[in-house]
Amino acid sequence: NAGVTQTPKFQVLKTGQSMTLQCAQDMNHNSMYWYRQDPGMGLRLIYYSASEGTTDKGEVPNGYNVSRLNKREFSLRLESAAPSQTSVYFCASSAITSTDTQYFGPGTRLTVL
Amino acid sequence: SQQGEEDPQALSIQEGENATMNCSYKTSINNLQWYRQNSGRGLVHLILIRSNEREKHSGRLRVTLDTSKKSSSLLITASRAADTASYFCATDDNAGNMLTFGGGTRLMVKP
Repeated sequence: NAGVTQTPKFQVLKTGQSMTLQCAQDMNHNSMYWYRQDPGMGLRLIYYSASEGTTDKGEVPNGYNVSRLNKREFSLRLESAAPSQTSVYFCASSAITSTDTQYFGPGTRLTVL
Repeated sequence: SQQGEEDPQALSIQEGENATMNCSYKTSINNLQWYRQNSGRGLVHLILIRSNEREKHSGRLRVTLDTSKKSSSLLITASRAADTASYFCATDDNAGNMLTFGGGTRLMVKP
């Protein structure tokens, strides 16, 4: 089992460019999450998906869109990147709800110039 | 806004000593979780304590929860250099939809 995988590991964008961060889990989990972590801080929830076909906003959704492609995959899209979106992005999954243990991917380090 | 706030923000101890980290939160919870993050890595779940539990153990970890004070503590006994990491508490939103993480405690264990 690979657990939660994320691609890419690193990315540098120019302001205004777009990109999609990919996430996949092989644990048959219902719920998936996207977080961002700024230097020296905790994680902030961007979007989550409680089940296939549903997505909901978290604490900091502005500037992002998500797609729950199927039960395994949950992607995060930046349509027009801004320097304020420079951060480390983590995908996570849990069996049913957020109160279950969450399993995290290794992260994507994004820099927007 | 952060539901959980860890204290202290940073802690430096010698190998073999105990490390205690505290977490305070604002609203009622179903459970509280602690996670560890090694530098440059994703978070790893350590322990979950439910709102009707007061204390829980896992190996060298001991977690307490005081719902009347809206606080929790994580104790790592006989610390090792490998325990060097950031530790985060996380609380749910009572509806079970999302976890809110605190800012973390950066623990350094010196050999």
